[in-house]
Amino acid sequence: DQQVKQNSPSLSVQEGRISILNCDYTNSMFDYFLWYKKYPAEGPTFLISISSIKDKNEDGRFTVFLNKSAKHLSLHIVPSQPGDSAVYFCAATPNAGGTSYGKLTFGQGTILTVHP
Amino acid sequence: EAGVTQSPTHLIKTRGQQVTLRCSPISGHTSVYWYQQALGLGLQFLLWYDEGEERNRGNFPPRFSGRQFPNYSSELNVNALELEDSALYLCASSLVGTNNEQFFGPGTRLTVL
Repeated sequence: DQQVKQNSPSLSVQEGRISILNCDYTNSMFDYFLWYKKYPAEGPTFLISISSIKDKNEDGRFTVFLNKSAKHLSLHIVPSQPGDSAVYFCAATPNAGGTSYGKLTFGQGTILTVHP
Repeated sequence: EAGVTQSPTHLIKTRGQQVTLRCSPISGHTSVYWYQQALGLGLQFLLWYDEGEERNRGNFPPRFSGRQFPNYSSELNVNALELEDSALYLCASSLVGTNNEQFFGPGTRLTVL
């Protein structure tokens, strides 16, 4: 049972344009969401997060949107740069308590390629 | 500020052997998490330690175990290695156990032959 899904395995975007990465979740206990960027053979790097009490969080070129009713979140990168090319993972974690406490549940990742 | 460090970087073992991976968290972080990223799969949660105690465990067999030391560093032990244990093992740390960003180390690449 995959509780966090990234349905697009890959995304290709032109430099300067917007990249939109999507993520869906099924567990209604999740209330904190994170995006990580990962290069091959390296650990994930934290990008941006959002709590379920918000519907938007912005940090420079990165904006995360959360639609709780649809159990959907997205990461917008504007403008996209070639250095953004990497695998992007969304992750979710619940409030205290329950079997998911303390762990991040990750999606399968989306490979973003930004062409010059 | 130093990030999460892991050792060794790479490791090659044969089936049936045992392995120990090590992790040092970011200074001030008390929680340490272990994840496995097998080829073609996403990151799977293994273990969470906080203040020296195991707080949560993923869906892995008991031959995966670990511990956290008083200085908050951690070890992951895998006994009776199987071919499918070949993966990138990632350690992360955070200030507390929930609703806080986890910061990852570079990982240990384990190959089981």
